[in-house]
Amino acid sequence: GAGVSQSPSNKVTEKGKDVELRCDPISGHTALYWYRQRLGQGLEFLIYFQGNSAPDKSGLPSDRFSAERTGESVSTLTIQRTQQEDSAVYLCASSQVARTNYEQYFGPGTRLTVT
Amino acid sequence: KNQVEQSPQSLIILEGKNCTLQCNYTVSPFSNLRWYKQDTGRGPVSLTIMTFSENTKSNGRYTATLDADTKQSSLHITASQLSDSASYICVVTSYSGAGSYQLTFGKGTKLSVIP
Repeated sequence: GAGVSQSPSNKVTEKGKDVELRCDPISGHTALYWYRQRLGQGLEFLIYFQGNSAPDKSGLPSDRFSAERTGESVSTLTIQRTQQEDSAVYLCASSQVARTNYEQYFGPGTRLTVT
Repeated sequence: KNQVEQSPQSLIILEGKNCTLQCNYTVSPFSNLRWYKQDTGRGPVSLTIMTFSENTKSNGRYTATLDADTKQSSLHITASQLSDSASYICVVTSYSGAGSYQLTFGKGTKLSVIP
């Protein structure tokens, strides 16, 4: 079946502009995660959605970052007033949260470059 | 603070040779440890997952070990192939109850297999 998809695959934007990144999770997966991966660095957790529960936003680095998810479908990560430090690959993952040994399936990521 | 440290940062080996990657963690309470393979430009893909009671698990030419007492894990790759060139990421999950999970990612080991 289809995996996690993300769009766009690449985005170049000017400093100060807003960007929206999209994630389509695997159908039926109740949990959705956003991560940031800077060049040569590990993954940084940003935000976690689980069903209709309030999202865990503890990883968002500033109030310029926000994310939405409607039900158990598409999610959008929005970065306002982008800065050069926001340049990174943004990865989305989804999973079925049934037990602690859930499997996260990752999308290919969106490479964001802020000039 | 939960941390996952991986070594070496990068590794170059000849095709056909074996190698071992290391992961040390300070994560509590421990739930499971997972090794991911991330090809360039792709999202991470899970290789193995181990819980507290498991000390070894294999997936083809990949064998992971876990020593929960010393909080160390290793990933051994046997008879390496060019397609093994990737970043290998160690991820430790902690579960603090009431559906609250935290994933701590290592920065990864970049493996290059050369002919």
